[in-house]
Amino acid sequence: SAVISQKPSRDICQRGTSLTIQCQVDSQVTMMFWYRQQPGQSLTLIATANQGSEATYESGFVIDKFPISRPNLTFSTLTVSNMSPEDSSIYLCSVNWGNTEAFFGQGTRLTVV
Amino acid sequence: KQEVTQIPAALSVPEGENLVLNCSFTDSAIYNLQWFRQDPGKGLTSLLLIQSSQREQTSGRLNASLDKSSGRSTLYIAASQPGDSATYLCAVISSGSARQLTFGSGTQLTVLP
Repeated sequence: SAVISQKPSRDICQRGTSLTIQCQVDSQVTMMFWYRQQPGQSLTLIATANQGSEATYESGFVIDKFPISRPNLTFSTLTVSNMSPEDSSIYLCSVNWGNTEAFFGQGTRLTVV
Repeated sequence: KQEVTQIPAALSVPEGENLVLNCSFTDSAIYNLQWFRQDPGKGLTSLLLIQSSQREQTSGRLNASLDKSSGRSTLYIAASQPGDSATYLCAVISSGSARQLTFGSGTQLTVLP
C-alpha cells in the first residue's frame, strides 16, 4: 500500500488569497490525482499530475486557477488561486498503487471567508 | 461518459443489523471497482478493491460483490456497529482511462446503538 501525507489538514483563508496544498507519498508513483469534494457532494477530479510534464485538467478546471507542480515521483502541490467562498471544499490527493488500488491523503478542508 | 449511482443516499439502522449498500455504473468496461469509507471532514479509507475479473472480495465483516455485465456492485456489512457510521463511496476506474476514479455520490450510514 501507499501512505500519503497531505497538509495542511485544514485552513481558513481570506477571499482573493491563494493556498498551496502539499502531498507527499512514501513511494515513487507515476501518476498523482487531485480531487475536490464540495460540501455534501462526492469527489470530482481536478487534474492528473505526471512527473516531468504539465498536469492534465478535467473539464471545468483550469491551470490559472489550480496550478499544480510535480517536481518528483513522490511529491505534488495543488494551489487554489484567487480564492472565493465557492472554493470552500475538501481537496484530496490520490495515487494508484500497482496501477490498481487507489489511496488517498487525509484531505485539506478549506474554508474561504 | 461513465456515471456511478449509489442507493440509498442515506440509511439508518439499529446496531447488529446486516445491511446492503448498492452501487451501479453505466459503462461495464471497467478496470476495477473500489469501495471507500469517509468519516466527516476526512479523507477516504479504502475498504475493498474488486478487479474486473473478480466476482467478490471479503474483509472481516465486509463483503463486496461485482456483476460487471449488469453494471452493479453491492457492499454487504454484517452485524453492523456504531463505529461503522460513515459515508460509503464506490468508485470505478474505466478501461482505457488514465486510471482516475469516477465516484458515486455515496451512502451516509448511521448505526444506532
